[in-house]
Amino acid sequence: KQEVTQIPAALSVPEGENLVLNCSFTDSAIYNLQWFRQDPGKGLTSLLLIQSSQREQTSGRLNASLDKSSGRSTLYIAASQPGDSATYLCAVRPRNDYKLSFGAGTTVTVRA
Amino acid sequence: SAVISQKPSRDICQRGTSLTIQCQVDSQVTMMFWYRQQPGQSLTLIATANQGSEATYESGFVIDKFPISRPNLTFSTLTVSNMSPEDSSIYLCSVIAGEIYEQYFGPGTRLTVT
Repeated sequence: KQEVTQIPAALSVPEGENLVLNCSFTDSAIYNLQWFRQDPGKGLTSLLLIQSSQREQTSGRLNASLDKSSGRSTLYIAASQPGDSATYLCAVRPRNDYKLSFGAGTTVTVRA
Repeated sequence: SAVISQKPSRDICQRGTSLTIQCQVDSQVTMMFWYRQQPGQSLTLIATANQGSEATYESGFVIDKFPISRPNLTFSTLTVSNMSPEDSSIYLCSVIAGEIYEQYFGPGTRLTVT
């Protein structure tokens, strides 16, 4: 069974600092990996999707890397802003199933 | 991509009653999912709803408690039956869309049971 771990559970940084969020997974037989953002009491917004054949994806200030062999993905957020404060969730889709396995999330606070 | 709407966005219900949550997608999709997110927790999959067949429930969830309908490729409902305070959660509708199997989520229904 796929286990997805996100460290740290919470992170507080001053505005302008770069954010590094980590996600690890136990089974490298994945189809894709998604990073989501969730604001309190709201649904999930898809930020980036990395297919198993890719090493990274970029969107604006966000960059996500994937190292399938070591079971790791990292989400980088450059020049953080208070509006980046949210919970970030990593989710892995296995090759042989349609169901996502979620990490517990990293709650980010960016201080003005 | 897929844009998902849910109704209601939030509700406060009394113990023992039932609530039906609606999920509407702006495009036809094969797979729809219902998730629950209890306070401070990550997401738990309740069931997968495919059009034209019975929903498939995950361990710990049963049809009598969470009946699901999927009448067409753009719509689904989840009913939370005989509610108790432990059912207080955010309920999320989700779909897979596109060739790269990207998953999208609705805005959620925030349910409080008193």
